[in-house]
Amino acid sequence: NAGVTQTPKFQVLKTGQSMTLQCAQDMNHEYMSWYRQDPGMGLRLIHYSVGAGITDQGEVPNGYNVSRSTTEDFPLRLLSAAPSQTSVYFCASSYSGPAEAFFGQGTRLTVV
Amino acid sequence: GQQLNQSPQSMFIQEGEDVSMNCTSSSIFNTWLWYKQEPGEGPVLLIALYKAGELTSNGRLTAQFGITRKDSFLNISASIPSDVGIYFCAGRRAGGTSYGKLTFGQGTILTVHP
Repeated sequence: NAGVTQTPKFQVLKTGQSMTLQCAQDMNHEYMSWYRQDPGMGLRLIHYSVGAGITDQGEVPNGYNVSRSTTEDFPLRLLSAAPSQTSVYFCASSYSGPAEAFFGQGTRLTVV
Repeated sequence: GQQLNQSPQSMFIQEGEDVSMNCTSSSIFNTWLWYKQEPGEGPVLLIALYKAGELTSNGRLTAQFGITRKDSFLNISASIPSDVGIYFCAGRRAGGTSYGKLTFGQGTILTVHP
């Protein structure tokens, strides 16, 4: 039972490059979300999804896109990376709403 | 966006001591959660609280949902070295445009000296 799997674990991008952070869960959870974690800021919600085909913005959505074509996968796209997007990104999933019980191990992203 | 006010920001304690931390907000929450994060890992749920006044334990950990629904407390008794990590509170609001979304505190960094 893998739980929530995020790839890659580490990534370095140049300003302006694009990339997709992958998130997959094998628990048949309906609710999935993406957070970023910055020192002293806790976790801030970027985007979330309450089911396949349904996504919505969180607290800090600018510069990020998401889609949810299947229950299992919830990728996060950076279209044009900026240094301000240097952060640790966490994907999470849960059965019932945003009471997330399961987080992935995170992706540490550096934009230079 | 609003964040929860979590205190203290950090704690340095001796093994065997008890630990207390808390979160406060100006908004009412209908769910309070406490997570622990270890280096290089994602947060792991410790305790979930769903009713005002609720007191819940998980081993040496005890958490309470404040009566006003604007605060929560986490206590760790008889700390051990493996309690080291960052502890986060998180709340889910009762209404408004942020209904259902989780808001996190800034975290409490706990260091336990053997």
